[in-house]
Amino acid sequence: QSALTQPASVSGSPGQSITISCTGTNTDVGSYNLVSWYQQHPGKVPKLIIYEVTKRPSGVSDRFFGSKSGNTASLTISGLRAEDEADYYCWSYAGRPWVFGGGTRLTVL
Amino acid sequence: EVQLVQSGAEVKKPGESLKISCQASGYRFTTYWIGWVRQMPGKGLEWMGYIYPSDSDTRYSPSFEGQVTISADKSITTIYLQWTSLKASDTAMYYCVRDIVEAGSSGFYHWGQGTEVTVSS
Repeated sequence: QSALTQPASVSGSPGQSITISCTGTNTDVGSYNLVSWYQQHPGKVPKLIIYEVTKRPSGVSDRFFGSKSGNTASLTISGLRAEDEADYYCWSYAGRPWVFGGGTRLTVL
Repeated sequence: EVQLVQSGAEVKKPGESLKISCQASGYRFTTYWIGWVRQMPGKGLEWMGYIYPSDSDTRYSPSFEGQVTISADKSITTIYLQWTSLKASDTAMYYCVRDIVEAGSSGFYHWGQGTEVTVSS
């Protein structure tokens, strides 16, 4: 069982926006601004798309937006595209150090 | 250009030992946390642990502490993941990962290509 809770699946149509939640506790998500999000396409190496809650690495589309409120972090993807269909994982530094969610499968309808 | 190049796939029997490697290049090896992530077949990502090569400070996930050993050889900018007695449940893909921020714990931007480990009698 993962320390961070994510929905198993979300879906949206091209052009829409979706949000994936990531719920932790006041010892991880709530204590550190060190939430990161990873995208993984089937059979591929994961890719960091958000770090330190809101930052995007170089080359990552500004359609990906990270945020946090209390013990819950969120990843919002706007203007959904077919290539966004993938698994998304949230991770949080927790002092021991990292805890992670079980992943969310995004389906673009 | 940062590169993490991992050793090749392994097929082992239960009870055998194994050490896989990840050679890093393209950056100052000693001042970034670098470690390992497991992905079992059809499952999610799991952080196993990482090492700060400058002083060999090593941190493990509670799930993996005592089960594996992470080490580094600064002279050849390589880290290792070692098992003394493999189990079938160690069958997985193992990724080498490096933090995006120097001396920080912010997120793993750089990933190796993965090493597939199969443990079967």
